[in-house]
Amino acid sequence: DAGVIQSPRHEVTEMGQEVTLRCKPISGHNSLFWYRQTMMRGLELLIYFNNNVPIDDSGMPEDRFSAKMPNASFSTLKIQPSEPRDSAVYFCASSTGQGLDSPLHFGNGTRLTVT
Amino acid sequence: LAKTTQPISMDSYEGQEVNITCSHNNIATNDYITWYQQFPSQGPRFIIQGYKTKVTNEVASLFIPADRKSSTLSLPRVSLSDTAVYYCLVGGSGNTGKLIFGQGTTLQVKP
Repeated sequence: DAGVIQSPRHEVTEMGQEVTLRCKPISGHNSLFWYRQTMMRGLELLIYFNNNVPIDDSGMPEDRFSAKMPNASFSTLKIQPSEPRDSAVYFCASSTGQGLDSPLHFGNGTRLTVT
Repeated sequence: LAKTTQPISMDSYEGQEVNITCSHNNIATNDYITWYQQFPSQGPRFIIQGYKTKVTNEVASLFIPADRKSSTLSLPRVSLSDTAVYYCLVGGSGNTGKLIFGQGTTLQVKP
């Protein structure tokens, strides 16, 4: 079990640039979650997918953020254009269920710095 | 989702047992109680989950009283490597997946 794989591990970009974060969930998991973590706001749920379909994107900050899951083994979170306030650690997680009866398995995150 | 309340921080010494209590007064009938651990520069890691009474695994024990309005995570004989943030979450399979993490409890284990 390779766990949830996120790339890149670190990303430094300039304000206005497009940023794409990638996630490979654990094989066989049918739910995928994107979280953002900052010191001020803690862990925030941005969006989650079930069977590749976005179920709830109410946590996405604004239209600059978009997420896709073209197949069961890959998801992307895109920020366009990026802003300094987007600097955070972005985590992807997967699970076998939709609710809290199924443990979430997190990746090690992507640390994004927007200058 | 049921709101949870837990201490912001706790200190302990190596070898001691640590108990972290989480309050969840409005827990629903089908809600589970789940604890996660997060080390710096890593994603949260599932520790233990329970519904009622007591659950034990190789890492921790989870005690849940009959009214289920609180729960206690027990870490036996902590070591320096147990220094981390511990999150308590409450919710059930009927939720639409909104797993909300609170501020958690920062546990500092001292030598």
